[in-house]
Amino acid sequence: DQQVKQNSPSLSVQEGRISILNCDYTNSMFDYFLWYKKYPAEGPTFLISISSIKDKNEDGRFTVFLNKSAKHLSLHIVPSQPGDSAVYFCAASDNDYKLSFGAGTTVTVRA
Amino acid sequence: EAGVTQFPSHSVIEKGQTVTLRCDPISGHDNLYWYRRVMGKEIKFLLHFVKESKQDESGMPNNRFLAERTGGTYSTLKVQPAELEDSGVYFCASSGTRHTDTQYFGPGTRLTVL
Repeated sequence: DQQVKQNSPSLSVQEGRISILNCDYTNSMFDYFLWYKKYPAEGPTFLISISSIKDKNEDGRFTVFLNKSAKHLSLHIVPSQPGDSAVYFCAASDNDYKLSFGAGTTVTVRA
Repeated sequence: EAGVTQFPSHSVIEKGQTVTLRCDPISGHDNLYWYRRVMGKEIKFLLHFVKESKQDESGMPNNRFLAERTGGTYSTLKVQPAELEDSGVYFCASSGTRHTDTQYFGPGTRLTVL
């Protein structure tokens, strides 16, 4: 009953190019979506979020897009940098505080 | 300001033994959460405290898991007796009062049950 899915376990991108990470969800009650970034042996770190009343949110090199009708969101990183190499988790909540996470996508940025 | 801290960072125990994990949230954060990641899969919610009260424990796997937050400060998660499937990384997070407030995660405790 996994409600948040990240179907790509890994992504390799050249430094300077765009990284696009995808996430799908099944629960139509979700109204808040987040991306977390995780380095080895560390906890997840908040990256960017978006409310269901918006379809785009931008913060520097990071942009999150939300398509409610398709129950899909994506994270764009432009340009990708070596320090962006990490595991990225998509998460969602439905106004009850607990977060539902995807399984993560491992991003490797090649020099 | 200190972030969320967890102790120990690693724990290796035998099946049937007891382990207690500790989490110290960010000072002033009333909301405290426990999550678990097993075998590189998704991070799963276990439970949520508001101050010392359990707000939601729908993710607790079974009655071998007991979480407490006496005094509304630090929290402990006890597993007794531990089983092989309890192995994983246990994360603690804390946040402010609104459900959209960022949840800040600790570094996690890696539990290995042999």
